[in-house]
Amino acid sequence: GQQLNQSPQSMFIQEGEDVSMNCTSSSIFNTWLWYKQEPGEGPVLLIALYKAGELTSNGRLTAQFGITRKDSFLNISASIPSDVGIYFCAGHSGGSNYKLTFGKGTLLTVNP
Amino acid sequence: DADVTQTPRNRITKTGKRIMLECSQTKGHDRMYWYRQDPGLGLRLIYYSFDVKDINKGEISDGYSVSRQAQAKFSLSLESAIPNQTALYFCATTGHGTDTQYFGPGTRLTVL
Repeated sequence: GQQLNQSPQSMFIQEGEDVSMNCTSSSIFNTWLWYKQEPGEGPVLLIALYKAGELTSNGRLTAQFGITRKDSFLNISASIPSDVGIYFCAGHSGGSNYKLTFGKGTLLTVNP
Repeated sequence: DADVTQTPRNRITKTGKRIMLECSQTKGHDRMYWYRQDPGLGLRLIYYSFDVKDINKGEISDGYSVSRQAQAKFSLSLESAIPNQTALYFCATTGHGTDTQYFGPGTRLTVL
């Protein structure tokens, strides 16, 4: 089956630093999604990407759909303590099944 | 009010007991999903349903069953709970024609 490799597994950074994380796939995806999960909550959608090469921002967050359609990147600029959480990438390969493949997540810790 | 609700939010039970986790949504979505989250393993799909008459197994359906009582309700059952089913369980929904999944707040299940 499809697999997503998400890295890094965890990050410990100082407030104000920029953050980068990425996901790579063994196969092509038509959609890439990035979610954030805070403690005690379900994942919340941050950014959705639908086209190869697409670059989309949501406040301090920027995500890109890789040109090969096998990878995606999420950047967070000027991190703040409330950025703490687990960030998941998810991909959809198309077709009518609407099942997503999820990465294993990146745990972000921001030190004030 | 939350669009996707799950009950209970926390449950502790004993090995061999039957447990039902419930999910309701007010988004009017036809597709509903049950996931399990374990530390370091990300989100794994248990079952999914595209409408009331459609039920499909995910990657880890053994030991679980589901019921789609109505478009808005999707229940997950553990017929005879075992300790390795201790995990965080999430329900999610998707509307027709979109890949984006919206998650409930989760149910933390502990099987002793």
